[in-house]
Amino acid sequence: AQSVTQPDIHITVSEGASLELRCNYSYGATPYLFWYVQSPGQGLQLLLKYFSGDTLVQGIKGFEAEFKRSQSSFNLRKPSVHWSDAAEYFCAVGAETGANNLFFGTGTRLTVIP
Amino acid sequence: DAMVIQNPRYQVTQFGKPVTLSCSQTLNHNVMYWYQQKSSQAPKLLFHYYDKDFNNEADTPDNFQSRRPNTSFCFLDIRSPGLGDAAMYLCATSRGQTYEQYFGPGTRLTVT
Repeated sequence: AQSVTQPDIHITVSEGASLELRCNYSYGATPYLFWYVQSPGQGLQLLLKYFSGDTLVQGIKGFEAEFKRSQSSFNLRKPSVHWSDAAEYFCAVGAETGANNLFFGTGTRLTVIP
Repeated sequence: DAMVIQNPRYQVTQFGKPVTLSCSQTLNHNVMYWYQQKSSQAPKLLFHYYDKDFNNEADTPDNFQSRRPNTSFCFLDIRSPGLGDAAMYLCATSRGQTYEQYFGPGTRLTVT
């Protein structure tokens, strides 16, 4: 069965510092992988996705993620964090069974300090 | 702009009193989803419609029902809300088997 693990519940970084959020997945085939961001009281916004091809994918707001099959990872990165990046970040994997089902990790809450 | 709209944004209902949450979309996507997200947890899929075909997740309680009268609208009905049903309810859409889902802002349900 598919699953997603986000090992870090909460991360605090200084504005301008680099960021890496970890995501590990369990999946029997080539996964479809996603990162979503959720601001307080809001819905989820898609940051980026990986279906196939180039393992380094670029997303919106200056984010990127790298798919590493050998490590079953899809970590999210940003070279310089802005205060507006403070939010909850969810990694998700496309399900093996059924159409379109997404399985989400439990999220990482990002705090940005001045 | 094309979007997913949820009404109301905040809903308060009494224990056991039926409540309906609404979702509409202007994306013309054929798949619509309902997720439940409790505080500090991941969104959990309740069910989805693929066109008119309803797909219920195995562990979704019978208390939760859904209707999709047309492509644009989808409703979530909670027949007898309990305190444990207090959560954010997220609607999402996608085009076919693409997995890329577009989410609405959510409705926060409070049960008193």
